[in-house]
Amino acid sequence: DGGITQSPKYLFRKEGQNVTLSCEQNLNHDAMYWYRQDPGQGLRLIYYSQIVNDFQKGDIAEGYSVSREKKESFPLTVTSAQKNPTAFYLCASSQGIVFVKNIQYFGAGTRLSVL
Amino acid sequence: SQKIEQNSEALNIQEGKTATLTCNYTNYSPAYLQWYRQDPGRGPVFLLLIRENEKEKRKERLKVTFDTTLKQSLFHITASQPADSATYLCALASSGGSYIPTFGRGTSLIVHP
Repeated sequence: DGGITQSPKYLFRKEGQNVTLSCEQNLNHDAMYWYRQDPGQGLRLIYYSQIVNDFQKGDIAEGYSVSREKKESFPLTVTSAQKNPTAFYLCASSQGIVFVKNIQYFGAGTRLSVL
Repeated sequence: SQKIEQNSEALNIQEGKTATLTCNYTNYSPAYLQWYRQDPGRGPVFLLLIRENEKEKRKERLKVTFDTTLKQSLFHITASQPADSATYLCALASSGGSYIPTFGRGTSLIVHP
């Protein structure tokens, strides 16, 4: 079954804690993305990666970090520096970034809340 | 600044009617525009892509138009069904830079039986 798997579905963070959201894809896609969605808001780009060992900041990267050590994996760490982390986090992948290869395939999301 | 606008008010229609959703944009030179469907608590699912030099695209009951003069895309669902109830997002990518699409806030569609 091809697709994108995000885990966990729900996550709770304590004050001062770093938490890591998992994203795995078996679509053999080169590009992967992390978005944040708040109620009534569009998706905002946190980080993206075009190839292994390379990633770029999106519009709201502060307080987040990522790694891309394997093609199929793109974990997101929400650090204690992110003061308002409560949101719905979506991981996506696409064949590439250029033009029509940028049809995005999304995971089911992780809902992060602060205790 | 660049802006993508979708109606924040939910669209309520009767089953069998045609639903029309609007996506307006400013300060973009679009390369293409995409429409996605998002169900509550789920990730968006890609529906259609239309390029800046195309006027219309169809897929089954779905139709998208793209008017770069009006800076607007219309998304139509004909013969709507309650199962079409969801939030519909438009996403726009600019030419001349990264082709990563920027998403609008989405419009909620509710189809009543």
